[in-house]
Formats: sequence, structure tokens, C-alpha cells
Amino acid sequence: GNSVTQMEGPVTLSEEAFLTINCTYTATGYPSLFWYVQYPGEGLQLLLKATKADDKGSNKGFEATYRKETTSFHLEKGSVQVSDSAVYFCALSGTQGGSEKLVFGKGTKLTVNP
Amino acid sequence: EAGVAQSPRYKIIEKRQSVAFWCNPISGHATLYWYQQILGQGPKLLIQFQNNGVVDDSQLPKDRFSAERLKGVDSTLKIQPAKLEDSAVYLCASSLVPGRKLFFGSGTQLSVL
Repeated sequence: GNSVTQMEGPVTLSEEAFLTINCTYTATGYPSLFWYVQYPGEGLQLLLKATKADDKGSNKGFEATYRKETTSFHLEKGSVQVSDSAVYFCALSGTQGGSEKLVFGKGTKLTVNP
Repeated sequence: EAGVAQSPRYKIIEKRQSVAFWCNPISGHATLYWYQQILGQGPKLLIQFQNNGVVDDSQLPKDRFSAERLKGVDSTLKIQPAKLEDSAVYLCASSLVPGRKLFFGSGTQLSVL
């Protein structure tokens, strides 16, 4: 079935450092890919998405490019802030068993220190 | 726009007791999901509704878990009897289109002692 593998955490960075969180996927067909973020004490919220190969999703300075050849969707940000501290989940939406399902990776906890 | 509402926010019970969670999705969202998020893991889909019909419940432990969505709006998830391994955050989400841009509630954190 469809699955997502993302980089193990936790990740600790200093403010203004460059961030990469790796995500690879296994899927049949043409899935859509997402990054969700969970800030402390809050529910998950969509950060960005890409629906087809070579699409780049971006939001709040974060970017991820849908790479079909490497089955990857790595999350990047050029300069992180303390407020980016959260848990980041890579997710895939694809058809399984006749219905569209969203499958999550295990999450990567990011802590940004001032 | 009001978000997905869930209650209670926290619940502590002893094993073998029963518990119920409630979810009110965003108005107009036909698809409703219940996810289980165990500490250190990603959310796992338990059940997905389209209006008041079940689309997928393949990962729902049906011997102890049940869920319903009355009139295609609110939903309740019940566990009876609870086990220690049911300790997790139970997330409700809704979407306009199945599998696309889910909106999540804040979750119910369940501790089974």
C-alpha cells in the first residue's frame, strides 16, 4: 500500500539556519503530496501541497518540490525562526481500495533556538 | 469560519472502562475522518465517512471501537472496553473533497491507566 518515510528527529537548529526535512514515498498511480505542521498545543494544519510531478508547494518561506524520479518531497526553508518550532508531517493522498486516503509519515520534531 | 470542534480536550480513564469522543466538522464538509496519533508516530486513519456512510474502516479495531455520524454532520467515536495501548490523541478532521486539504481539530488526548 501507499506509505511515507520521513527523516527521524528531533532536529535542533539555531535561528536563521537552513532547514531540510527529507521525505520519500511509495505509491501507485499519481498521488498528491503534503506537508502538515503541528505547533505545540494545536491541531495539525496544512503547510503546503503539490499535486503533480515537478510542482513546487510553498508557504511561510517553506518549499517542497514533488520529485517523481526520486519519489521525494523534501521540505526546505532558507532561514528558520524560533516560531517554526513544531512537528512536521509529510503526507500522501492517493487512491487505495477505491477511496482517496491521506497517509502520514511519523513526523519530525523541529526545535529552533534563538 | 469555524474550525473542527472536538471534545473533550483531555480524558483519563482506567482500562476496561468506556469512553466517547465528539466531533463537529466544518459546515458543508461531507468527508469526516477519525485518526489515532500515538506518541512519536504519525496519525493513523481509523475511519472515514462520506456524509453518513462509512468509506473506510479497515484499521478500526471493531471489537472495541465504534463510530457513527448521525445525519452526516456530527460524529462520535467510542471505545469499549479501553486498553492501555489505546492511550493516544484522537484527531477528527473534515474536508470538502475526500483526501484533499483536511482541516483538523485540536484532538482529544486519552490516557488509559
